Amino acid sequence: DAGVTQSPTHLIKTRGQQVTLRCSPKSGHDTVSWYQQALGQGPQFIFQYYEEEERQRGNFPDRFSGHQFPNYSSELNVNALLLGDSALYLCASSLEKYSGANVLTFGAGSRLTVL
Amino acid sequence: AQTVTQSQPEMSVQEAETVTLSCTYDTSESDYYLFWYKQPPSRQMILVIRQEAYKQQNATENRFSVNFQKAAKSFSLKISDSQLGDAAMYFCAYMRDNNNDMRFGAGTRLTVKP
Repeated sequence: DAGVTQSPTHLIKTRGQQVTLRCSPKSGHDTVSWYQQALGQGPQFIFQYYEEEERQRGNFPDRFSGHQFPNYSSELNVNALLLGDSALYLCASSLEKYSGANVLTFGAGSRLTVL
Repeated sequence: AQTVTQSQPEMSVQEAETVTLSCTYDTSESDYYLFWYKQPPSRQMILVIRQEAYKQQNATENRFSVNFQKAAKSFSLKISDSQLGDAAMYFCAYMRDNNNDMRFGAGTRLTVKP
């Protein structure tokens, strides 16, 4: 049973560029959340997607956008990259009908470096 | 705003011994969930244990147990019979009921000495 898979594992971009990160949820899961983990810090919630719509958003600017596809996979897009966007981006999936318990399964993340 | 504080940036324990990691949180909510996640060098966050705030009984998962003090807003993790594989970053996390924004502390790096 595949867990949450993310791609790419590592990538390097320059300021002003745009980046797309991808996530495939755990089999059977229908909800995807994205988190940003800066070096030496805990993850911060970016947003969550369910039924192909953004259901909830954290305190992140509009430069951060996402998408969920009919197969429940998701993309995170970041435009106009800043040096401060350098971080580990974690995808987490869950099953909506268990949302009260909020059990998240995380992927290994995509390490983004902005130069 | 809900915040999570982990006051121990680093902890060390001898193999087979017991260690306790501290966590406090701030909330005005009555219904919420608390979690401990482990993040090894592989970077993947792994759920260690979960506690529902409405349950008075402390959660236990094999060698891992918590001391949940709701009035004090404290949620510590005890690891018994520590093993080398327990070495990792440990994050305490809070999530309000029917909310999807999980709040994490800054983490505690646990070292296990053989």
